[in-house]
Amino acid sequence: SQKIEQNSEALNIQEGKTATLTCNYTNYSPAYLQWYRQDPGRGPVFLLLIRENEKEKRKERLKVTFDTTLKQSLFHITASQPADSATYLCALGWSNTGKLIFGQGTTLQVKP
Amino acid sequence: KAGVTQTPRYLIKTRGQQVTLSCSPISGHRSVSWYQQTPGQGLQFLFEYFSETQRNKGNFPGRFSGRQFSNSRSEMNVSTLELGDSALYLCASSLSGGRRDEQFFGPGTRLTVL
Repeated sequence: SQKIEQNSEALNIQEGKTATLTCNYTNYSPAYLQWYRQDPGRGPVFLLLIRENEKEKRKERLKVTFDTTLKQSLFHITASQPADSATYLCALGWSNTGKLIFGQGTTLQVKP
Repeated sequence: KAGVTQTPRYLIKTRGQQVTLSCSPISGHRSVSWYQQTPGQGLQFLFEYFSETQRNKGNFPGRFSGRQFSNSRSEMNVSTLELGDSALYLCASSLSGGRRDEQFFGPGTRLTVL
């Protein structure tokens, strides 16, 4: 069956440390993968997109990797801050369609 | 540039009624997708519209329908509401949908079915 799994429902880390979130999928062949941030009561906010032919993408303190052999993406937040506390969602996408398939999300709590 | 807007923000209905939700995409965006978000199922894709045509559809019953107008604004309709339809309904817009497009989500419509 097809599924997307994100690591543990909640991740608690200390301020200043690197948070690493995992997204694994099975029986999908996405053209790209996206990461979103969602705060309570709000819609998801786009963070990064990585395509199937890319290994790594960076944006400021964010880094995402994409391994299509392992069917896995890792999302890193370096020098984490309490303001980074939120739910992070990974989503699979395909060419020529806006359809996204989302994981359940990982809630990150950064403690001062 | 104005973001994606959704109306209404909150809605309370009773079982058996129908409801229409509206989404105005970012100016110039032609793809609009709808999602249902619940605590148990997470974010689930409902359907996508592009240039007034439904381009993709998720696994939801026929009670869920939508349409897109020539100005790219979109509506979704749910008929014969059930308790399980209570959820946050999100729409997202992008330029064309696909490999190069990030999607911009609206704040959502919170639907409660009593």
